Amino acid sequence: DTEVTQTPKHLVMGMTNKKSLKCEQHMGHRAMYWYKQKAKKPPELMFVYSYEKLSINESVPSRFSPECPNSSLLNLHLHALQPEDSALYLCASSPSLTRAGYEQYFGPGTRLTVT
Amino acid sequence: AQSVTQLDSQVPVFEEAPVELRCNYSSSVSVYLFWYVQYPNQGLQLLLKYLSGSTLVKGINGFEAEFNKSQTSFHLRKPSVHISDTAEYFCAVSKASGYALNFGKGTSLLVTP
Repeated sequence: DTEVTQTPKHLVMGMTNKKSLKCEQHMGHRAMYWYKQKAKKPPELMFVYSYEKLSINESVPSRFSPECPNSSLLNLHLHALQPEDSALYLCASSPSLTRAGYEQYFGPGTRLTVT
Repeated sequence: AQSVTQLDSQVPVFEEAPVELRCNYSSSVSVYLFWYVQYPNQGLQLLLKYLSGSTLVKGINGFEAEFNKSQTSFHLRKPSVHISDTAEYFCAVSKASGYALNFGKGTSLLVTP
């Protein structure tokens, strides 16, 4: 199973809402990532988890709050978002951060629209 | 820091024609190179990667790429494209000692009949 799954596929939320994005992988990967991708742009790294601990936060605003409940799951909690946060949110995983050369496996993404 | 330049933002090509998508990288250290494809409304899928060894790398869907250290390039090629190859293609680089991927801006491949 080389699949990363993400739910929901689409999400529309108001600026006062609280919602969560979910990501799951069963490949035994110990590194998981959140990316934000705007239309016609490359993915931008937001957060990296390694062994369920937050390793990297790329200066992401606090209205985005990641969580890694266990080695297979990654959540992104959203609160008080702005319209400019509308984007495709991609989750990815890789076997490890400690050895280079591993590709990252990407999920299909959640298309988020903030109204 | 390592970076990637994809020289073409859009490449239109007719079905069954050959195609080359260009990627140049800059780095003062050893790097690993990747090509990812993103079909409309989907995530990224790895086409191929170069870590070491043979400079000609074969990937999925008939794609291949050649690592050229002297020209710091990693161009992607396919001898005959299909309509279904229409997608966004991203070249990415990571340091040989690290995990972070630096993506190029992407090349939009449009295959028409």
